Amino acid sequence: NAGVTQTPKFRILKIGQSMTLQCTQDMNHNYMYWYRQDPGMGLKLIYYSVGAGITDKGEVPNGYNVSRSTTEDFPLRLELAAPSQTSVYFCASSVQGVTPYGYTFGSGTRLTVV
Amino acid sequence: QKEVEQNSGPLSVPEGAIASLNCTYSDRVSQSFFWYRQYSGKSPELIMSIYSNGDKEDGRFTAQLNKASQYVSLLIRDSQPSDSATYLCAVTLNTGFQKLVFGTGTRLLVSP
Repeated sequence: NAGVTQTPKFRILKIGQSMTLQCTQDMNHNYMYWYRQDPGMGLKLIYYSVGAGITDKGEVPNGYNVSRSTTEDFPLRLELAAPSQTSVYFCASSVQGVTPYGYTFGSGTRLTVV
Repeated sequence: QKEVEQNSGPLSVPEGAIASLNCTYSDRVSQSFFWYRQYSGKSPELIMSIYSNGDKEDGRFTAQLNKASQYVSLLIRDSQPSDSATYLCAVTLNTGFQKLVFGTGTRLLVSP
């Protein structure tokens, strides 16, 4: 099993550009999450989804959008990139909410906005 | 007060010693507690989960939970240089959807 796969691994965007960070999981997990991690700031939840067609905002949703058309895929969209969105983005999944197995994380996308 | 607090470190220990990592949390009704290990440039990896007061051991790792004091810790026995990483404490908040809230992590350095 591949687990949680994120693409791309690295990306440089210019201010105002748009992009989609891809996330797919092959574990048939219901719950999926997007986090961003800034140096010394820990992981902050951007959006989450409890199943196909259902999404909700986390702590820092401004400037981002998500969709969940299938169980496997949970893309994160940046519409107008800003320097404040320079960060490392992690997608994660879990079977159902918080479980004894915690979250499975993807390898991350390092995004720089210049 | 931060929801989950950790000392950023670095915590330096010699090889073979016991490393003790600490975490406090603010929500008295938190139910689930996790420790993740994150190597530099990599994604977090779950190493321990604990739900009840007391100790839980898994190999060289022991998680300790004291809900009355709102305190969770991770002990790493016989520390190895390969244990050098940042350790993230994560706690559920009882706010409907039980999301995980992460601390900022403690950097551990194990010297040979």
